[in-house]
Amino acid sequence: AQTVTQSQPEMSVQEAETVTLSCTYDTSESDYYLFWYKQPPSRQMILVIRQEAYKQQNATENRFSVNFQKAAKSFSLKISDSQLGDAAMYFCAYRSLGGATNKLIFGTGTLLAVQP
Amino acid sequence: DTGVSQNPRHKITKRGQNVTFRCDPISEHNRLYWYRQTLGQGPEFLTYFQNEAQLEKSRLLSDRFSAERPKGSFSTLEIQRTEQGDSAMYLCASSLGALTHNEQFFGPGTRLTVL
Repeated sequence: AQTVTQSQPEMSVQEAETVTLSCTYDTSESDYYLFWYKQPPSRQMILVIRQEAYKQQNATENRFSVNFQKAAKSFSLKISDSQLGDAAMYFCAYRSLGGATNKLIFGTGTLLAVQP
Repeated sequence: DTGVSQNPRHKITKRGQNVTFRCDPISEHNRLYWYRQTLGQGPEFLTYFQNEAQLEKSRLLSDRFSAERPKGSFSTLEIQRTEQGDSAMYLCASSLGALTHNEQFFGPGTRLTVL
């Protein structure tokens, strides 16, 4: 079974600075997707960024980028130029490429605080 | 608003009562997921529908839990004889089609408190 581990329960960053959130996962599959989701307080979860395991190039979405290390099974999220609106719980998630359901397997999350 | 909606947003009930939650997915999304999120944890998969067919159920979904999606549109999740351990946020998500990269869009969740 696949597992996702986020070892940083809480992180803090100064506004305009850069922060990196860590995620490791375990799988025996060779093809899969990895995601970072953001869950603001009392608001619904939204997708931040997605990485296909077969792509060597790291995904980037504006101020958000990932460092995907397939051999190490590591998938970290870098947030550049942090903004107050980035404060939220961040979840790393795994999804098999095959299978019928495409269900997401989540880590326990990292609560990010942004200091003005 | 055309996002995923869930009702009610909050539910407080006494132990032993039955509760039912509703999820309205994004129109035309044929895939619907239920997840449960307890305090300090990430969401955990409960069950999945493709159109009206329930194709997978997690072992977390005990026999007190039942989910339906009768016409392939909205879905309901019922918990019978609630227990304090059922207290959690219940999240619904939907996605479109068979493409495996299709994004799951989440609703705001229903927070259940069992007293």
